[in-house]
Amino acid sequence: GAVVSQHPSWVICKSGTSVKIECRSLDFQATTMFWYRQFPKQSLMLMATSNEGSKATYEQGVEKDKFLINHASLTLSTLTVTSAHPEDSSFYICSATGYSGGALAGETQYFGPGTRLLVL
Amino acid sequence: QKEVEQNSGPLSVPEGAIASLNCTYSDRGSQSFFWYRQYSGKSPELIMSIYSNGDKEDGRFTAQLNKASQYVSLLIRDSQPSDSATYLCAVNSGGSNYKLTFGKGTLLTVNP
Repeated sequence: GAVVSQHPSWVICKSGTSVKIECRSLDFQATTMFWYRQFPKQSLMLMATSNEGSKATYEQGVEKDKFLINHASLTLSTLTVTSAHPEDSSFYICSATGYSGGALAGETQYFGPGTRLLVL
Repeated sequence: QKEVEQNSGPLSVPEGAIASLNCTYSDRGSQSFFWYRQYSGKSPELIMSIYSNGDKEDGRFTAQLNKASQYVSLLIRDSQPSDSATYLCAVNSGGSNYKLTFGKGTLLTVNP
């Protein structure tokens, strides 16, 4: 139980283009999803927290107009990197907390496998 | 500012030994604590959660929590080379969104 998927796992794009990353909870309802970024050999950095049906809350220093987050359903959140530049190249990871079968799955965050973005 | 501190390592232990990973946190109001394992190039995976003072065992893993000392640890018994990874300590301070504060992780190497 508590499986989170991400798509795509890898994406290479040209500078200036936009990239959309999907995060899905496969076997539970994700009331809250989190988006992280991790640069090589560095720790996880929380970018934003999203609750289903409401606007995402961004961490200090994260540009909300550049990193668009949509949490339109209880199983899907998307992160769109707009006008991507080489410095946006990173490992983007989502996680989710929520409910499973009516019982609270707890405050445990379950992570997706991540998406590697390379902007040329 | 809420902080979670871990020794960055690397921590090197021989196969079969006990690996001890430590974590301290600054927010005395923290309520739940998690250990994640992250292999190189992969996303974190949950190992254990702990909420109450004392020990919690799951297979070869034991989490220990001491809220008075603001200290949480993870013991790995009979360490295997496959345990070689970065171990992340994460703390939830009780916010409604369950946001976690992560330590920077301890790199563990188990030598055959």
